[in-house]
Amino acid sequence: KAGVTQTPRYLIKTRGQQVTLSCSPISGHRSVSWYQQTPGQGLQFLFEYFSETQRNKGNFPGRFSGRQFSNSRSEMNVSTLELGDSALYLCASSEGLHQYFGAGTRLSVL
Amino acid sequence: AQRVTQPEKLLSVFKGAPVELKCNYSYSGSPELFWYVQYSRQRLQLLLRHISRESIKGFTADLNKGETSFHLKKPFAQEEDSAMYYCALTPGGSYIPTFGRGTSLIVHP
Repeated sequence: KAGVTQTPRYLIKTRGQQVTLSCSPISGHRSVSWYQQTPGQGLQFLFEYFSETQRNKGNFPGRFSGRQFSNSRSEMNVSTLELGDSALYLCASSEGLHQYFGAGTRLSVL
Repeated sequence: AQRVTQPEKLLSVFKGAPVELKCNYSYSGSPELFWYVQYSRQRLQLLLRHISRESIKGFTADLNKGETSFHLKKPFAQEEDSAMYYCALTPGGSYIPTFGRGTSLIVHP
């Protein structure tokens, strides 16, 4: 069984640009959640999608958005990038009590 | 508001010694608690969650609502337990986790 795949692994953007990150969950998993990890703020929850619907949302500004497709793949988008958006973005796929994380996308905003 | 505190940034023990990674929380409702682990150069993993009451890799954690704690314990530490451990809380019935800042566990041979 393939694990959770996040693409791209690394990304460099400049302030003001927008970015889209992708997460392919484990086959059969309907829930995908997204997290931001930074040295300053640690791990923070962004949002969770289940069967194409945003089920839960963390405390991030509207510049952070996401969506989930019918095959459970998910994307998150960050618009008008700020320097503080530089982080490791993790996604996880879940089904029942099981949860598995991707390797992350490291975003650098210059 | 919910808060998770892991008071130790670093915990250093010798192989075979007992380990207790502390997690204290603040939440007025009925929480669900988790422990996550990240080994060096590996992905973040869900180690255990209190509702499943499992023992994973010899680790256990008991939710103590009176003391608002969810400490992670292992009777005999192994070198391969060296990792970063994160405690997290979510309101029961939903998934909006708040994470602690993590404790780095180092197990010396």
